[in-house]
Amino acid sequence: EPEVTQTPSHQVTQMGQEVILRCVPISNHLYFYWYRQILGQKVEFLVSFYNNEISEKSEIFDDQFSVERPDGSNFTLKIRSTKLEDSAMYFCASRGVGEATEAFFGQGTRLTVV
Amino acid sequence: AQSVTQLGSHVSVSEGALVLLRCNYSSSVPPYLFWYVQYPNQGLQLLLKYTSAATLVKGINGFEAEFKKSETSFHLTKPSAHMSDAAEYFCAVSALSGANNLFFGTGTRLTVIP
Repeated sequence: EPEVTQTPSHQVTQMGQEVILRCVPISNHLYFYWYRQILGQKVEFLVSFYNNEISEKSEIFDDQFSVERPDGSNFTLKIRSTKLEDSAMYFCASRGVGEATEAFFGQGTRLTVV
Repeated sequence: AQSVTQLGSHVSVSEGALVLLRCNYSSSVPPYLFWYVQYPNQGLQLLLKYTSAATLVKGINGFEAEFKKSETSFHLTKPSAHMSDAAEYFCAVSALSGANNLFFGTGTRLTVIP
């Protein structure tokens, strides 16, 4: 069964460092998303990506964040200068064509900023 | 704008008892509604979805949910709880607009008591 794959599963980084979280969406999907979940809190929308550009982003997704689809398979989230409050689980999701299709989520990357 | 409210951050039931997890939605357009489950240290898995067809939706693992427009609700139920149902459950809403982003509730942690 096709699945969304995220690497690494756990990343520890020092405050101020740049991190790149990687995702391989399901191959025939066209919509890609990043969500985050701070420990004990709800899953929050960060950004959606379609046709090689950002289609929507939340207020959380400020200038420190960027996304890229560098090739036909990967979808990355970059945090330029990490802050302690960026510590969270980051989920990638992808969705196929069709208004009623659901999003499929990866297992997540746990980012710990120290 | 779309949002969901989940009443009760923690629900405990005895094994074999009815499970009822509450979700109310707010949407300016006809919504699509979803329930996702998150097992410990795992990603989000779709349980079921409502996409304007039948109002009673059956999902995996014996769960079902009923869309009630008059009550703006989409409560999740299961007649008989099993120990393996212990997890975090998230209600989510999206609309046919833009990239169909999902907006999640705060989650309900289900504990099943043997």
